[in-house]
Amino acid sequence: NSKVIQTPRYLVKGQGQKAKMRCIPEKGHPVVFWYQQNKNNEFKFLINFQNQEVLQQIDMTEKRFSAECPSNSPCSLEIQSSEAGDSALYLCASSRQGSDTQYFGPGTRLLVL
Amino acid sequence: QQQVRQSPQSLTVWEGETAILNCSYEDSTFDYFPWYWQFPRESPALLIAIRPVSNKKEDGRFTIFFNKREKKLSLHITDSQPGDSATYFCAATPNYNQGKLIFGQGTKLSIKP
Repeated sequence: NSKVIQTPRYLVKGQGQKAKMRCIPEKGHPVVFWYQQNKNNEFKFLINFQNQEVLQQIDMTEKRFSAECPSNSPCSLEIQSSEAGDSALYLCASSRQGSDTQYFGPGTRLLVL
Repeated sequence: QQQVRQSPQSLTVWEGETAILNCSYEDSTFDYFPWYWQFPRESPALLIAIRPVSNKKEDGRFTIFFNKREKKLSLHITDSQPGDSATYFCAATPNYNQGKLIFGQGTKLSIKP
């Protein structure tokens, strides 16, 4: 069973508002991934970190999305100005160093009205 | 471009039968193939995974068959149970460390009692 913690579980925002969600990776997992799963079950990779360093990120993340994984604090994903199309399940996953296996947290379900 | 494809989109089998879920991929650099299952209102959970060095991976009632030459794999669920009803995602990641997962569209499996 995954021990990745995500908060909040649900988030409701108006268009243009900031939306911030947090993730605590499983203990001993220095690699963190963020994915977006839309209502059609399509997954989109957003960004990943190894410790505090960004490994990969997509263009969307570079514009309205920001993310960080500070030392000794939860990782976070923030949408600066929410849009209706951002409504989705945001999934955080973590893995051990050198491992391909990713374990998902329960997700934050974002609804942008 | 859909790099990982799954079929069928939905599948219904009777309890006790074998369910077969198919997956294919395009990128020959993919070298790790996990299957996740996802129950309604939950996040994906790792079910079973395989690497191309093997052509079969078994875990209880769940078996992956892998054909590297054809870039195809399938998940067989024997003695299907109603509790197996879920959406199953085939995913792939390339052969470098900490690569992002690329997911298929999912197969919604329903087991009729």
